[in-house]
Amino acid sequence: KAGVTQTPRYLIKTRGQQVTLSCSPISGHRSVSWYQQTPGQGLQFLFEYFSETQRNKGNFPGRFSGRQFSNSRSEMNVSTLELGDSALYLCASREWAHSGNTIYFGEGSWLTVV
Amino acid sequence: GQQLNQSPQSMFIQEGEDVSMNCTSSSIFNTWLWYKQDPGEGPVLLIALYKAGELTSNGRLTAQFGITRKDSFLNISASIPSDVGIYFCAGEETSGSRLTFGEGTQLTVNP
Repeated sequence: KAGVTQTPRYLIKTRGQQVTLSCSPISGHRSVSWYQQTPGQGLQFLFEYFSETQRNKGNFPGRFSGRQFSNSRSEMNVSTLELGDSALYLCASREWAHSGNTIYFGEGSWLTVV
Repeated sequence: GQQLNQSPQSMFIQEGEDVSMNCTSSSIFNTWLWYKQDPGEGPVLLIALYKAGELTSNGRLTAQFGITRKDSFLNISASIPSDVGIYFCAGEETSGSRLTFGEGTQLTVNP
């Protein structure tokens, strides 16, 4: 089955603009989480959604928001973009199992803020 | 907050050599996951570990969940050039919680 799909793959935005990134999880997975990856900070957790509800949130400002739709697809939005928001944004799909959870990542969306 | 220390930060080895990297945590983890990331791509899951002491293999890769539940290691045997990339460990403190990632190990394999 198809993996985690993220769009767009690359984008360039100007400071002050806003951006929306999209993620489709693996078919059947209902949990989607988002991570930001930068050279300086590594992989940092943004938030996680399950059945359209945010169940966990990282330490990011309110400019970072997300939502999940009834088909489990998710979007994240960053408003009033800053240069420091330039990063690889990764979406992950969680497979729940009795033995343990497994988390699969998409290829990411590269955001450059100029 | 949680601290996850991964070492070494980088390794330069010859093709055919074995490689070992490890992660230690300041807190107990419920799950350890090992990923490989190539430039410009997302992390790809290599091995998942769910029980203390568990030893799991995936081809030339072997990973273990430490007995104390605060550490894990990944071994790569007989390295090949396509093993080049950044390897990350990640831990989940409780079921369904966020992943905490190590800083990554950059592996370079010289043919």
